[in-house]
Amino acid sequence: SAVISQKPSRDICQRGTSLTIQCQVDSQVTMMFWYRQQPGQSLTLIATANQGSEATYESGFVIDKFPISRPNLTFSTLTVSNMSPEDSSIYLCSVEFGQGAFYEQYFGPGTRLTVT
Amino acid sequence: QKEVEQNSGPLSVPEGAIASLNCTYSDRGSQSFFWYRQYSGKSPELIMSIYSNGDKEDGRFTAQLNKASQYVSLLIRDSQPSDSATYLCAVKGDGQNFVFGPGTRLSVLP
Repeated sequence: SAVISQKPSRDICQRGTSLTIQCQVDSQVTMMFWYRQQPGQSLTLIATANQGSEATYESGFVIDKFPISRPNLTFSTLTVSNMSPEDSSIYLCSVEFGQGAFYEQYFGPGTRLTVT
Repeated sequence: QKEVEQNSGPLSVPEGAIASLNCTYSDRGSQSFFWYRQYSGKSPELIMSIYSNGDKEDGRFTAQLNKASQYVSLLIRDSQPSDSATYLCAVKGDGQNFVFGPGTRLSVLP
């Protein structure tokens, strides 16, 4: 497993502004993931971030709204741009460890975002 | 579309009883299966992973996998109030992303 930290842990933002969430891992990982979890809902994958390449976005998520950086093997950022109240959610980063068919995924503590 | 289904609950069991959580999945190519526990306001925590048919035990937790029936379950023996949480089932195929179920809320009554 790994120790994963996220900053900030929570924030309250005004609509129209942007927030950048940082995710730091204590070991090198190839793949990092960003999820959104709205109140009472399960996890929705936003994008997969590999070091040295463009992030891969899931259906319904676009780079202009959720730009992602992955400058090295231990760090990634997710920006929520031009926020609206509908973006209020918990944002989680995660990492995968394993090989072959045997992978496990571990989550950071999350960032609770409220947009007013 | 790959789907993972769980009863949303809440599932209420008395303290000391066995809690049984169930999950079905649609993709026959799924190879890896996971149970996560999520306390309110916290992030998901991996508690069990299972890769082959049969049972896997870890302390009070037993994961059961039946690939033919596309079914995976989690049994919690001697349930404690501290087990009260939402339990997420997840599956993964080779080269695929994880797919998470909607979660089952478990309430263990003292």
